Amino acid sequence: SQQGEEDPQALSIQEGENATMNCSYKTSINNLQWYRQNSGRGLVHLILIRSNEREKHSGRLRVTLDTSKKSSSLLITASRAADTASYFCAPLGTSGSRLTFGEGTQLTVNP
Amino acid sequence: GAVVSQHPSWVICKSGTSVKIECRSLDFQATTMFWYRQFPKQSLMLMATSNEGSKATYEQGVEKDKFLINHASLTLSTLTVTSAHPEDSSFYICSANYQADTQYFGPGTRLTVL
Repeated sequence: SQQGEEDPQALSIQEGENATMNCSYKTSINNLQWYRQNSGRGLVHLILIRSNEREKHSGRLRVTLDTSKKSSSLLITASRAADTASYFCAPLGTSGSRLTFGEGTQLTVNP
Repeated sequence: GAVVSQHPSWVICKSGTSVKIECRSLDFQATTMFWYRQFPKQSLMLMATSNEGSKATYEQGVEKDKFLINHASLTLSTLTVTSAHPEDSSFYICSANYQADTQYFGPGTRLTVL
C-alpha cells in the first residue's frame, strides 16, 4: 500500500473562506479517497475520485486529481466552523485494498 | 448506506486483562475489514487486514498473538487485545470494504488500560 502526504499540515481560515488541501502520492492508483476526522471520532468518507477522473464535486467539496503529477487537491468552499477537523487523503494502489494514512491536514475554521 | 459500527465506544480495563472490540457492517457485507490504531495527535496506523473465513494479515511490527482478530461472518470482525498494558491504551478504529474500492470507518473505540 502507499500513503498520501497531505499539505499543509495545518490551515487556519475564517468562516466563509475557501480551504484548499493538497495530497501527493508515489505510485499508480485505482482511486483516491478523502476522509475527514473530527477529534476523537472515526473517519468520515467524503469523496472518491477514480484514476480516470480529473475533477469531482460533492456539495461544497471539489476534488481534483492529476495522475501525471501524482497529486490531488480538496477544496472546501464557503467554509463553516463545523468543517474544523483533520483531513486525510488515501490513495488506493493498483495492487491491493489496503489504505494507509499520512499525518493529515488540520483545518481550523474560525467563526 | 454503508454504515460501520463499533462496540464498545470506550472501555477502561485493568492491566493484564483482555478486551474485545467488535466491528460490524450494518447494511452491507464486507469480506475484508481493517483495524487501525491511533495515538493522540498522530495519524492512523494500519494494524491488520481481516478477511472473512481466513486468518488475518498483520502489518510489520504488530504482534498477532497480542492482537487477536476474528472475522467469523461477512458483517462482523472482532479485535481482542490480550493481556493489555497501559501502552496499549489508544483509539482503535475499524473499517470495512464496500463495493471493493471504498472503505467506510467505524466511530472508533477508546481503550484505556490502567
